[in-house]
Amino acid sequence: QSVLTQPPSVSAAPGQKVTISCSGSSSNIGNNYVSWYQQLPGTAPKLLIYENNKRPSGIPDRFSGSKSGTSATLGITGLQTGDEADYYCGTWDSSLSVLWVFGGGTKLTVL
Amino acid sequence: QVQLQESGPGLVKPSETLSLTCTVSGGSVSSGSYYWSWIRQPPGKGLEWIGYIYYSGSTNYNPSLKSRVTISVDTSKNQFSLKLSSVTAADTAVYYCARYVTMIPGAWDYWGQGTLVTVSS
Repeated sequence: QSVLTQPPSVSAAPGQKVTISCSGSSSNIGNNYVSWYQQLPGTAPKLLIYENNKRPSGIPDRFSGSKSGTSATLGITGLQTGDEADYYCGTWDSSLSVLWVFGGGTKLTVL
Repeated sequence: QVQLQESGPGLVKPSETLSLTCTVSGGSVSSGSYYWSWIRQPPGKGLEWIGYIYYSGSTNYNPSLKSRVTISVDTSKNQFSLKLSSVTAADTAVYYCARYVTMIPGAWDYWGQGTLVTVSS
């Protein structure tokens, strides 16, 4: 059971938009920046979004992030078949000690 | 370009100690700007943060693994290592080493390709 809650799966058609939610608490998302990672099949995770809504160099603006209170959201527009992957949110949690936590991951299927 | 590469045995017997090394190129483990970390992923499951080490040698471990984990750094070889003791089948996973940037972006920006470690007799 992950500290951060994500839907197990989402799906949408090519060209459409999808959002992936990440729900936490005041000890994690509520007081820390959220980052998002894309894991294509058989590969290592890749940083997609940092500080809630910023994109590293090379990440297309089809990917966006936002945060409100204790929840964060990843948005992907203009879906492509190459976007099929697992997506993870992550942040620091300070409920008992300071540790990094990931969401359980969301599998995106582009139909 | 920063690169991280994991190395170590792919098969470990139950109750023994899992040992992995991450070799860093294109960057220095002696820099005060980063945490050097291990993250694992059991087959078909999500990511679990194991812990990190700072260039000074200070560490921070996931409480769920803290009693069994040791992360160390060798600045002369530009490497950092993971030891996980008393392993069981539940420790079977792909183990990734990764770099966390303490300033911008404040996230895990570089990852190794991962190495599968199977715990089995």
